[in-house]
Amino acid sequence: GAVVSQHPSWVICKSGTSVKIECRSLDFQATTMFWYRQFPKQSLMLMATSNEGSKATYEQGVEKDKFLINHASLTLSTLTVTSAHPEDSSFYICSAVPGRPPAGYEQYFGPGTRLTVT
Amino acid sequence: SQQGEEDPQALSIQEGENATMNCSYKTSINNLQWYRQNSGRGLVHLILIRSNEREKHSGRLRVTLDTSKKSSSLLITASRAADTASYFCATDNYGQNFVFGPGTRLSVLP
Repeated sequence: GAVVSQHPSWVICKSGTSVKIECRSLDFQATTMFWYRQFPKQSLMLMATSNEGSKATYEQGVEKDKFLINHASLTLSTLTVTSAHPEDSSFYICSAVPGRPPAGYEQYFGPGTRLTVT
Repeated sequence: SQQGEEDPQALSIQEGENATMNCSYKTSINNLQWYRQNSGRGLVHLILIRSNEREKHSGRLRVTLDTSKKSSSLLITASRAADTASYFCATDNYGQNFVFGPGTRLSVLP
């Protein structure tokens, strides 16, 4: 149980185009999903917290107009990288939480999406 | 903001040996979790330890938590080549500020 999928697993796009990445919780409902990016040989950096039915909360330094997040249902959150540039090339990972804090929870991670902007 | 920091950043051992990785953090936490990531893949959850717990076991994994020192350790016993991966600790404070450390890259040599 507690499986999270991401689609696509990898994508190559041209500079200036937009790319949408989907994150789905397959066997549980997730009121909260998180989006991270990871550069090679580095740790995960939290980009934003996505809450179903409300606006996402972005971390400091993350442009909300560039990284559009939509959490329209309890099983789906999407991240759209708008007007992508080569510096946006990275590994994007989502996670989903099948419970509500503060009781303590585990984040279940998707397999990640590798974005390459040429 | 709080941040987990793993130590060492890279560790190379022989198969069968034990591997110990440490994690330190700066502020109070509710939970601390350890994850494994194989190269280019997503994260696999290993263990969650709550702030009122001191030790947890799961198979060949043993995690300790010392809240007075704001540190945790992950011990992998009888390591295998398949344990080769990056290991991250992540802390959260009652659902807020979920922060990953820089990770330890473990190489287990056959």
